[in-house]
Amino acid sequence: DAGVTQSPTHLIKTRGQQVTLRCSPKSGHDTVSWYQQALGQGPQFIFQYYEEEERQRGNFPDRFSGHQFPNYSSELNVNALLLGDSALYLCASSLRLSNYGYTFGSGTRLTVV
Amino acid sequence: LAKTTQPISMDSYEGQEVNITCSHNNIATNDYITWYQQFPSQGPRFIIQGYKTKVTNEVASLFIPADRKSSTLSLPRVSLSDTAVYYCLVGGNTGKLIFGQGTTLQVKP
Repeated sequence: DAGVTQSPTHLIKTRGQQVTLRCSPKSGHDTVSWYQQALGQGPQFIFQYYEEEERQRGNFPDRFSGHQFPNYSSELNVNALLLGDSALYLCASSLRLSNYGYTFGSGTRLTVV
Repeated sequence: LAKTTQPISMDSYEGQEVNITCSHNNIATNDYITWYQQFPSQGPRFIIQGYKTKVTNEVASLFIPADRKSSTLSLPRVSLSDTAVYYCLVGGNTGKLIFGQGTTLQVKP
């Protein structure tokens, strides 16, 4: 039973560029949430997708957008990258918008130079 | 969501019991208390969850007093592999998790 898988594992981008991160949820889960974790900090909620719609959003600018596909996988897009966007981006999946049974992936380490 | 306060860091030695206390004075009636563990460059992993009194599973125990304004995660006989960041979260089933800074536990040989 596959857990949450994220790709790529590491990524280096230049300021101003755009990036797309991908997530496949745990088998049986239908809800995907994205988190940003800066070095030395706890993960911060970005947004959550269910039934291909964004259901709730944290305090992140519109440069952060996402998408969920019919197979429940999800993408996180960040436009106009800033140095401060350098972080570990975590994807978590769960069932029917619940935060119970949350399962996190290992994340994508994004470095903006 | 209720704010939590926990120590920034703790040190222990292999074989000892470790207790990490979390304060959550403004916990709401329908809030649960959940603890996560995170290793470097990995996502957080669920350890234990409780509402009141004591909860025990194969890896930890969670003690919650009657007023629920604090909770204590107890890790029995820690090993070097228990070195990690431990997060205390308080909230209801809102679909999102609110993390604080966590407690960095360093287990020494």
